[in-house]
Amino acid sequence: GAGVSQSPRYKVAKRGQDVALRCDPISGHVSLFWYQQALGQGPEFLTYFQNEAQLDKSGLPSDRFFAERPEGSVSTLKIQRTQQEDSAVYLCASSSSSAGTFFSPLHFGNGTRLTVT
Amino acid sequence: EDKVVQSPLSLVVHEGDTVTLNCSYEVTNFRSLLWYKQEKKAPTFLFMLTSSGIEKKSGRLSSILDKKELSSILNITATQTGDSAIYLCAVANQAGTALIFGKGTTLSVSS
Repeated sequence: GAGVSQSPRYKVAKRGQDVALRCDPISGHVSLFWYQQALGQGPEFLTYFQNEAQLDKSGLPSDRFFAERPEGSVSTLKIQRTQQEDSAVYLCASSSSSAGTFFSPLHFGNGTRLTVT
Repeated sequence: EDKVVQSPLSLVVHEGDTVTLNCSYEVTNFRSLLWYKQEKKAPTFLFMLTSSGIEKKSGRLSSILDKKELSSILNITATQTGDSAIYLCAVANQAGTALIFGKGTTLSVSS
């Protein structure tokens, strides 16, 4: 597609529920990133995929957070047993460059706003 | 630890004013510094800077990097209400696996 697509746009979950957020990156982009953005803050890095390999998951806040990109294209971020502090906008971004190389600009999706009640 | 600090955190100006936004960073193995504009949704790319002293310009926006001072500035001249947004600065982390963002500067331009 023309840009990074994320779904759903909004998600309301009750505390303790599991959620799955989807990201469809720009076609052919090697790198895919997940970020979490709380209100009034800059995006915080969660995890990075190069093709299907998850090369960096240092930003995942707990083992309740899990991400996958099984075929090197679409990615899913799953949050188990959601808590109120998980409420945030989850941004996905893709890039044509690979890890360790000259960093190309990230192209962001519009995000999924997660509200945990 | 890689870190990006932006100042001011917020700024209110009148249309026509010129503004300067600041970004300082600490990162091992610097690769690049990027500026983004975020309105209601996705951050959109403005500039990528890799070399000191070379100004990047796009219309009324310009930016320059100072590697000696570990900082960058973003200038906006003749501001318009459409410039109201959060401006984010980011640097690539040491491993080159992520962009580390600052908290952003919220710019409000009043007519």
